Amino acid sequence: QSVLTQPPSASGTPGQGVTISCSGSSSNIGINTVNWYQQLSGTAPKLLIYSTSQRPSGVPDRFSGSKSGTSASLAISGLQSDDEAHYYCAVWDDTQNGVVFGGGTKLTVL
Amino acid sequence: EVQLVQSGGGLVKPGGSLRLSCAGSEFTFSSYTMNWVRQAPGKGLQWVSSITHTSAYIYYADSVKGRFTISRDNAKNSLFLQMDSLRAEDTAVYYCTGGDTAMALSVFDIWGQGTMVTVSS
Repeated sequence: QSVLTQPPSASGTPGQGVTISCSGSSSNIGINTVNWYQQLSGTAPKLLIYSTSQRPSGVPDRFSGSKSGTSASLAISGLQSDDEAHYYCAVWDDTQNGVVFGGGTKLTVL
Repeated sequence: EVQLVQSGGGLVKPGGSLRLSCAGSEFTFSSYTMNWVRQAPGKGLQWVSSITHTSAYIYYADSVKGRFTISRDNAKNSLFLQMDSLRAEDTAVYYCTGGDTAMALSVFDIWGQGTMVTVSS
């Protein structure tokens, strides 16, 4: 059982937009910044969004992050087949004194 | 090219020990918080341990506390994970990851290729 709750799956067609949610609590998302990771099949994860809404160099602006209260969201616009992957949210938890990950969301581009 | 190259891993019996290593190159290793993250077969990511750039602060997940030891050698740009009293539930791909010390502890912007650890009799 993950400390952060994500929907197990999401889907969309090419060109569409999709949003993936990440629900936490006052000891993690409520007080710390959120990061998102993309894991393509068979590869190591890659940092997609850091500090809730910042994109590392090279990440397209089709990817955006936001937070409200104890929940965070990753929005992907203009879906492409290459976006098909697992997406994980992660944040420091002050109660557990460690990093917690969401269970992951498998995004399918139909 | 910025990279983390992992070594170690393999098959070990329950109760046994294993040491993972990770070598960094083409970035200022001594300015990075280093971490281990694992992924059991078919499962999601799980944070294991973190060590700050000067080794001043070390953190462990409850599931490995007292059994795993993280360490680093900045002179050799290397990170280690000593795993003792291994259990079947420790079976996973282990990733070495790094985050700039200026960032939050949960930012992992460099990843190793991963190494499989299998605990089985």
